[in-house]
Amino acid sequence: DGGITQSPKYLFRKEGQNVTLSCEQNLNHDAMYWYRQDPGQGLRLIYYSQIVNDFQKGDIAEGYSVSREKKESFPLTVTSAQKNPTAFYLCASSGGTSGGFGTQYFGPGTRLTVL
Amino acid sequence: GENVEQHPSTLSVQEGDSAVIKCTYSDSASNYFPWYKQELGKGPQLIIDIRSNVGEKKDQRIAVTLNKTAKHFSLHITETQPEDSAVYFCAASIVGSGRGSTLGRLYFGRGTQLTVWP
Repeated sequence: DGGITQSPKYLFRKEGQNVTLSCEQNLNHDAMYWYRQDPGQGLRLIYYSQIVNDFQKGDIAEGYSVSREKKESFPLTVTSAQKNPTAFYLCASSGGTSGGFGTQYFGPGTRLTVL
Repeated sequence: GENVEQHPSTLSVQEGDSAVIKCTYSDSASNYFPWYKQELGKGPQLIIDIRSNVGEKKDQRIAVTLNKTAKHFSLHITETQPEDSAVYFCAASIVGSGRGSTLGRLYFGRGTQLTVWP
């Protein structure tokens, strides 16, 4: 069963804690992306990676970090430096034999709430 | 960078009517324009896309048109049904040619909340 999985679906964090959101894909895609979604603001790009061991900042990278050690995995860490982390986080991937021409496919999302 | 504007932000239609959502983009180099549908609490799903070498594309009740000169593209949904109710996003990108190309950061519009009343 091919696709993009994100875990957990819901995540609660206390202020001052770092948390890591998981994103895995078995689509053999080269590129992976993290977006943040807030009500009425659409999707904003946090980080993206076009190849293993390489990634670039998006528009709102401050307070976030990523790694890309494997093609299938692109975890996002929300650090305590992120001032307003409560949001819906979406992972996407594109490229490879099942993608092509930049089509991005999204995971189901993780809703992070800071208590 | 690219700037994508989407209108309207909310749209209410009666079941069976048509719905049209419009987007404009700023970068004339953009050559790929996908549309996504997002249901509440879920990730966006690609519903249709169009490349700059095509002026129109249709898939059953959904169609997309592209005007490169005016730098705008539109989503048309005919014979709307209550299950069409969702948030719709347009996006623009510059992608490379050739199968497997992974280039292409997507720039999204802010979304349109479509409500179809039975």
